[in-house]
Amino acid sequence: LAKTTQPISMDSYEGQEVNITCSHNNIATNDYITWYQQFPSQGPRFIIQGYKTKVTNEVASLFIPADRKSSTLSLPRVSLSDTAVYYCLVGRSSNTGKLIFGQGTTLQVKP
Amino acid sequence: DTGVSQDPRHKITKRGQNVTFRCDPISEHNRLYWYRQTLGQGPEFLTYFQNEAQLEKSRLLSDRFSAERPKGSFSTLEIQRTEQGDSAMYLCASSLDQTRVWEQYFGPGTRLTVT
Repeated sequence: LAKTTQPISMDSYEGQEVNITCSHNNIATNDYITWYQQFPSQGPRFIIQGYKTKVTNEVASLFIPADRKSSTLSLPRVSLSDTAVYYCLVGRSSNTGKLIFGQGTTLQVKP
Repeated sequence: DTGVSQDPRHKITKRGQNVTFRCDPISEHNRLYWYRQTLGQGPEFLTYFQNEAQLEKSRLLSDRFSAERPKGSFSTLEIQRTEQGDSAMYLCASSLDQTRVWEQYFGPGTRLTVT
């Protein structure tokens, strides 16, 4: 499984766009990139998954450059309720489902 | 609500006691996973089931830990002779099947405190 590196913490203000970048230099050809969100005292929640270019859903966008060695989770116009830990995971679709979480990025949204 | 549920939400026990946690996955989900999370860390994989078959166990799962999913529906995680190092949040997750393993739905967790 590819190792991921992401900032430990980030601060933002309400209404701003937040971009969290994850590095995965050793990503394999069959690997997908998946992001989870975790609020305090709750289990993680799947946000978005992508393989290349750009994926967008109602929660976030995921940008993946051509070399796929990094990815950026973009949260538009954050609110206080977006304060959470965001995890970047990388692995292939045939994976058993054993998710390997790092420390994640703690996003603090301020008023 | 058809999400993943876990019971109890909190458990305080004395060192040496046995504890059992229950997880009820989303009803049509074949895969069920157990994770453990300590403060400030991401969840760590413990084990997973495909229906009633336990297909993988982490080395974190010592012989004091046992998990079952007897009829391919709910699952239990038992810890025997608890130690203070077992204090953590125990998370259960489920996914539809092997084609959607990366989209796991997590329960609220059981917070275990061993005194």
